[in-house]
Amino acid sequence: GNSVTQMEGPVTLSEEAFLTINCTYTATGYPSLFWYVQYPGEGLQLLLKATKADDKGSNKGFEATYRKETTSFHLEKGSVQVSDSAVYFCALSDNYGQNFVFGPGTRLSVLP
Amino acid sequence: DAGVTQSPTHLIKTRGQQVTLRCSPISGHKSVSWYQQVLGQGPQFIFQYYEKEERGRGNFPDRFSARQFPNYSSELNVNALLLGDSALYLCASSPAPDFYQPQHFGDGTRLSIL
Repeated sequence: GNSVTQMEGPVTLSEEAFLTINCTYTATGYPSLFWYVQYPGEGLQLLLKATKADDKGSNKGFEATYRKETTSFHLEKGSVQVSDSAVYFCALSDNYGQNFVFGPGTRLSVLP
Repeated sequence: DAGVTQSPTHLIKTRGQQVTLRCSPISGHKSVSWYQQVLGQGPQFIFQYYEKEERGRGNFPDRFSARQFPNYSSELNVNALLLGDSALYLCASSPAPDFYQPQHFGDGTRLSIL
């Protein structure tokens, strides 16, 4: 079945450091890929998405590129801020749009 | 505008009992999805309903069922509760059936089984 694997956390960085959170997936067909984020005390919300190979999703300084050859969708940000501290979930939907799979989540803490 | 609302916020049940959780989507959203989130893990997809029809189902036993009403609100029912059903149950709504549209999540119902 479809699955998503993320790097284990927690990840702790200093402000202005470069961030990479690795995400790889297993799926048949052509899934759509997502990053959702959960800030402290808030609900899950969509951060960015990509629907086909080589698409790049971006939002709030975060980027991720859909790499079909490596089945990856790594999240990156050039300079993190304390306000980026949150739990980040990589996710996919199958190409029929009838199933949605989240990864286990990666907790990021950014220190001032 | 009101976001996705779920009720109750907390619930305590014992093994073997039955529970009903409720979800009201954002106005205008016709798709509702349910997820189970065990502490420390990512949410697991249970069901998606769109226009009152089941559109997707995750790998959960038949003890789990759901329905969607004409006003697009939804209920999740779980029968014969087990200790392993203890989790945060999340509801998400979106305007369209495909998951490409952002899902808007509620704060969840925390279910504890004693």
